Amino acid sequence: DTVLTQSPALAVSPGERVSISCRASEGVNSYMHWYQQKPGQQPKLLIYKASNLASGVPARFSGSGSGTDFTLTIDPVEADDTATYFCQQSWNDPYTFGAGTKLELK
Amino acid sequence: QVQLKESGPGLVQPSQTLSLTCTVSGFSLTSNSVHWVRQPPGKGLEWVGAIWSGGSTDYNSALKSRLSISRDTSKSQVFLKMNSLQTEDTAIYFCTLSPRGYFDYWGQGVMVTVSS
Repeated sequence: DTVLTQSPALAVSPGERVSISCRASEGVNSYMHWYQQKPGQQPKLLIYKASNLASGVPARFSGSGSGTDFTLTIDPVEADDTATYFCQQSWNDPYTFGAGTKLELK
Repeated sequence: QVQLKESGPGLVQPSQTLSLTCTVSGFSLTSNSVHWVRQPPGKGLEWVGAIWSGGSTDYNSALKSRLSISRDTSKSQVFLKMNSLQTEDTAIYFCTLSPRGYFDYWGQGVMVTVSS
């Protein structure tokens, strides 16, 4: 299975820029997607196919990358962005998720 | 609008069978795939399996021997059955719509606890 590796946690101040990384153990083309999950809620799609903004998602969120290295960027970060962010690939079977990066605000 | 809603028992005894239903609206099961994703308490997301628009299925290899996903298109429902449940299967189970490999609509999830 394709393993997706994310850093476990980040802490940033409101107004700053933050980049959350996801590295795949094998190539996934551009089929990497990003989700935001707040406690007690279902995940919410933010970015699909590496760099496409999902409907209704603020333009503060952006995605980049291809192959094995991908980045979700939030600029500027707002207090409401406190959440866990997951990457997910759909190029290789089975679909797999990263373990998540918990974003905290200082 | 697109909606998915999971239902099923909150508590299942070890070694028993879990049966969950995902009732959908706002889209056709014959044109879209529906997936199940689970999340143990405080942990990450795990893809469980899928039923594709044509009715074929795919399962997480770690669960394949215990898992069955089916559907009733006339009722707009997708079913998950997992047998021989263990405590490690305790999780929130989500059903989700996946038109092109990513999950853009999710149900609220149903918490399943495996305990005697």
